[in-house]
Amino acid sequence: AQTVTQSQPEMSVQEAETVTLSCTYDTSESNYYLFWYKQPPSRQMILVIRQEAYKQQNATENRFSVNFQKAAKSFSLKISDSQLGDTAMYFCAFMRAGNRDDKIIFGKGTRLHILP
Amino acid sequence: GAVVSQHPSWVICKSGTSVKIECRSLDFQATTMFWYRQFPKQSLMLMATSNEGSKATYEQGVEKDKFLINHASLTLSTLTVTSAHPEDSSFYICSARDLKGSETQYFGPGTRLLVL
Repeated sequence: AQTVTQSQPEMSVQEAETVTLSCTYDTSESNYYLFWYKQPPSRQMILVIRQEAYKQQNATENRFSVNFQKAAKSFSLKISDSQLGDTAMYFCAFMRAGNRDDKIIFGKGTRLHILP
Repeated sequence: GAVVSQHPSWVICKSGTSVKIECRSLDFQATTMFWYRQFPKQSLMLMATSNEGSKATYEQGVEKDKFLINHASLTLSTLTVTSAHPEDSSFYICSARDLKGSETQYFGPGTRLLVL
């Protein structure tokens, strides 16, 4: 069975600083996807970034980037130049690839506060 | 981008009544839809996976007679909470996976259910 672990329940950083959220996962699958989702106070789930396991290059989306270490099964999210709007719950997630019924497995989340 | 809607966004009902929640993919056809439940300050818990025209697959511990799921078309899935009780009060979120094979799941905005 796959598991996703986020070891930081809560974090706070000053606006404009860089912050890194940690995530580790466990799987025996070779083909899978990893995600970071953001859930702001509105509770709408927003996809922040996605990484295909077969790609060595780390995914990047504007101020958001990941450090994907496949051998270590680590998938951290770096937020550069943090903004007040980045305040949210962040979920790391895993999904096996290849089957339409494959479900997303979420970590417990990290609550991130960006301080003015 | 792909949009998933949910209706209603919030509902209050009396104990013993049934409540239906709709999940629609607005601009794409969804092969598979997923239903989640989220308690305050917790992660998303998958309840069931539904495919158009077939019976839903429920996660262990989820009562299929309590939470009825119907996926009648490629753009609509419904979750009916039957004989609701206060412990069913929660935030219910659906997600949909694009028929065209994208590995991305798109999330609805959620439905807040309060059972009195």
